[in-house]
Amino acid sequence: LAKTTQPISMDSYEGQEVNITCSHNNIATNDYITWYQQFPSQGPRFIIQGYKTKVTNEVASLFIPADRKSSTLSLPRVSLSDTAVYYCLVGDAGFQKLVFGTGTRLLVSP
Amino acid sequence: EPEVTQTPSHQVTQMGQEVILRCVPISNHLYFYWYRQILGQKVEFLVSFYNNEISEKSEIFDDQFSVERPDGSNFTLKIRSTKLEDSAMYFCASSGRTGRGDTQYFGPGTRLTVL
Repeated sequence: LAKTTQPISMDSYEGQEVNITCSHNNIATNDYITWYQQFPSQGPRFIIQGYKTKVTNEVASLFIPADRKSSTLSLPRVSLSDTAVYYCLVGDAGFQKLVFGTGTRLLVSP
Repeated sequence: EPEVTQTPSHQVTQMGQEVILRCVPISNHLYFYWYRQILGQKVEFLVSFYNNEISEKSEIFDDQFSVERPDGSNFTLKIRSTKLEDSAMYFCASSGRTGRGDTQYFGPGTRLTVL
């Protein structure tokens, strides 16, 4: 499973766009990139998944450059309720164990 | 929207007692997992389960742990003789397709407190 590196923490204000970048230099051809969000004492919540280029859903966008060695989760116009830990995971997640790192702790202030 | 459910939300037990944590995965999913998270630490993989047998297990998943799919809807994690260090949030997850790039969906968790 590819190792990922992401910032330990980030701060933002309500209404701003937040971009969290994850490095995964050893990503394999079969690997997908998946982002989860976790609030305290709750289960990880799936946000978005992609393989290449750009993926967008109602919650976020995921940008993946051509070499796939990094990815950026973009959260448009964050609110206080987006304060959470965000995890970047790389792997063939359909039937492999997920290996969580420490994630990025995002704090959104008024 | 379909979701993974878990019961109970909180379980308190005495050291040495057996506990069973229950999960109802998303109905058409084929792969099932248990993870745990000790307070303040990372989410850790315990076990994956497919076609009525364990696919993979971690070092944490020793002989004290077992999993079962007793019927077509439930997926359980049993800890035979709980230890203080088993206190954690336990999350069940499930995923669907047999192809690549599928997504694991997590339940809300069961908080296990061992006294």
